[in-house]
Amino acid sequence: GQNIDQPTEMTATEGAIVQINCTYQTSGFNGLFWYQQHAGEAPTFLSYNVLDGLEEKGRFSSFLSRSKGYSYLLLKELQMKDSASYLCAVSDSNYQLIWGAGTKLIIKP
Amino acid sequence: DAMVIQNPRYQVTQFGKPVTLSCSQTLNHNVMYWYQQKSSQAPKLLFHYYDKDFNNEADTPDNFQSRRPNTSFCFLDIRSPGLGDAAMYLCATSRVGTNNEKLFFGSGTQLSVL
Repeated sequence: GQNIDQPTEMTATEGAIVQINCTYQTSGFNGLFWYQQHAGEAPTFLSYNVLDGLEEKGRFSSFLSRSKGYSYLLLKELQMKDSASYLCAVSDSNYQLIWGAGTKLIIKP
Repeated sequence: DAMVIQNPRYQVTQFGKPVTLSCSQTLNHNVMYWYQQKSSQAPKLLFHYYDKDFNNEADTPDNFQSRRPNTSFCFLDIRSPGLGDAAMYLCATSRVGTNNEKLFFGSGTQLSVL
């Protein structure tokens, strides 16, 4: 079967750095997405990785290792507004998105 | 601004009473999706349209139907809502469905079943 694993919940302090991990087992791989979802709202696109390595976009960076079936989302200089769920999703061999259940990130002052 | 719009934002229905959720888009995207998402769970794809071609997921209950009368609009019909159908329903679009285009989501409709 196809599976995406992410921690259920993480807590971090305002101004700090946090890394949210995602591991996947899918039938084929055509890229990995990270979405942010605030409570009661729709997901919004953060990043897309298809090649190994780090993609940096402002305070957010995303890393991919295809050989390890592993990605992480790195959030720097955390702000209270970063409190949200972060969803990892993998595009499989049929370009179908396989979603993780999301990691709820709690930011404390 | 081009966007994906879902109405209503909150919908309350009674057990067994049909309900329709609507979605419109001004992005002129080919593909429209309906997802169901329950609290702290991954979004679950119900179906999607590539232009007028309808694609039903194998495990989507028959209770759920969809219509796409034109490029801009898509509807989700729940014929006989049960308590287990209470969830957030997300409409999303993408420019094409066979490439890795990111999804644009509407604000969602939170459905309650009494």
